[in-house]
Amino acid sequence: EPEVTQTPSHQVTQMGQEVILRCVPISNHLYFYWYRQILGQKVEFLVSFYNNEISEKSEIFDDQFSVERPDGSNFTLKIRSTKLEDSAMYFCASSEGRAGYTFGSGTRLTVV
Amino acid sequence: AQSVSQHNHHVILSEAASLELGCNYSYGGTVNLFWYVQYPGQHLQLLLKYFSGDPLVKGIKGFEAEFIKSKFSFNLRKPSVQWSDTAEYFCGVRASGTYKYIFGTGTRLKVLA
Repeated sequence: EPEVTQTPSHQVTQMGQEVILRCVPISNHLYFYWYRQILGQKVEFLVSFYNNEISEKSEIFDDQFSVERPDGSNFTLKIRSTKLEDSAMYFCASSEGRAGYTFGSGTRLTVV
Repeated sequence: AQSVSQHNHHVILSEAASLELGCNYSYGGTVNLFWYVQYPGQHLQLLLKYFSGDPLVKGIKGFEAEFIKSKFSFNLRKPSVQWSDTAEYFCGVRASGTYKYIFGTGTRLKVLA
């Protein structure tokens, strides 16, 4: 079964540093998403991406966040200057249409 | 604004017991509804989804859910749980015209062997 692959599985970074979380969506999917889950809390939508542009974003997705599809396979989430409260599990997802996501296994980001 | 409520935060059952997890959403328009499961240390996996048609939806691993539009509910059921169903379950809603899912806070299910 096709999978969404995320790397790294765990990243520790110092406050103020930039991090890039990487995702390889399922190859024939056209819609890409990032979600995050702060420990013990619900899964929250960050951003959706279609046709090489952001199609929707949440209030959480402020100027410190950006997404990019640098080539035909990768989909990245960049956090420019990390804060302690950015510590969370970040999930990438992809879908053919607007529904029925496949999620990746997540990247656990720890900001110290 | 859309929201999703899962009323049961923690559920403990013995094997072979029946399961029903509640999910209510607030949105007046057309929605797609989902249940995802997250096993310990793993990613979210789709259990089942409702787009239209028969409001009783069957998913993987013996799970089913019923969409009751008048109650804005999409409860998850399983007639007989197994120890391997121990996981966290998330209800999700997508409103028509948007790309994002709104998830509930999740229900942690523990099944005792």
